[in-house]
Amino acid sequence: DIVMTQSPDSLAVSLGERATINCKSSQNVLYNSNNKNYLAWYQQKPGQPPKLIIYWASTREFGVPDRFSGSGSGTDFTLTISSLQAEDVAVYYCQQYYSTPQTFGQGTKLEIK
Amino acid sequence: QVQLVESGGGLVKPGGSLRLSCAASGLTFSDCQLNWIRQAPGKGLEWLSYISSSGNTIHYADSVKGRFTISRDNAKNSLYLQMTSLRAEDTAVYYCAKYSDDNYWYFNLWGRGTLVTVSS
Repeated sequence: DIVMTQSPDSLAVSLGERATINCKSSQNVLYNSNNKNYLAWYQQKPGQPPKLIIYWASTREFGVPDRFSGSGSGTDFTLTISSLQAEDVAVYYCQQYYSTPQTFGQGTKLEIK
Repeated sequence: QVQLVESGGGLVKPGGSLRLSCAASGLTFSDCQLNWIRQAPGKGLEWLSYISSSGNTIHYADSVKGRFTISRDNAKNSLYLQMTSLRAEDTAVYYCAKYSDDNYWYFNLWGRGTLVTVSS
């Protein structure tokens, strides 16, 4: 199984500041034939199910604000929130869909400083 | 409104059984590739099982293989998870989730989940 490791486990950022969450996979998730990274990001607010925010490592889901961006390739990925808003408080998960079983990172809890 | 709604959770004793359901609306259910994913209290996400749109292809995580059975009824727009030989470590919120519309393995629609508690 591909192991996904996120860092940090928790993060406190001031409103309007940048938040950066990292995700590392134990194996490459870049599929050479289509040059796509099989990596997604989810946001989970308290008491709610996860919500897809990024797929193909950098494609924002419809309706997701453009302050959210994803980057990286191969085994190292980053989710960046350019200017933190109060509604962004949540736990964020990365997920690889390169191979089954699909696996998630342990989550990063993002709070307001 | 496009949604998935899980039901059937509850309190069950170790060794017991439970059947979860997931009702879909607002989408073409028979085109959807579906999954069950769980989240233990205060923990992360664990993918459990997948079923193709026709029901002909099924996958399980090793943690539930032989104990859980996924199925679907396209005529009823419903997905099921039959759980047997339940253990305390199966305590979790169980979500049904749909693969992307282009059938890649990320989840673009989730239900709100149903809580299963395994305890004596």
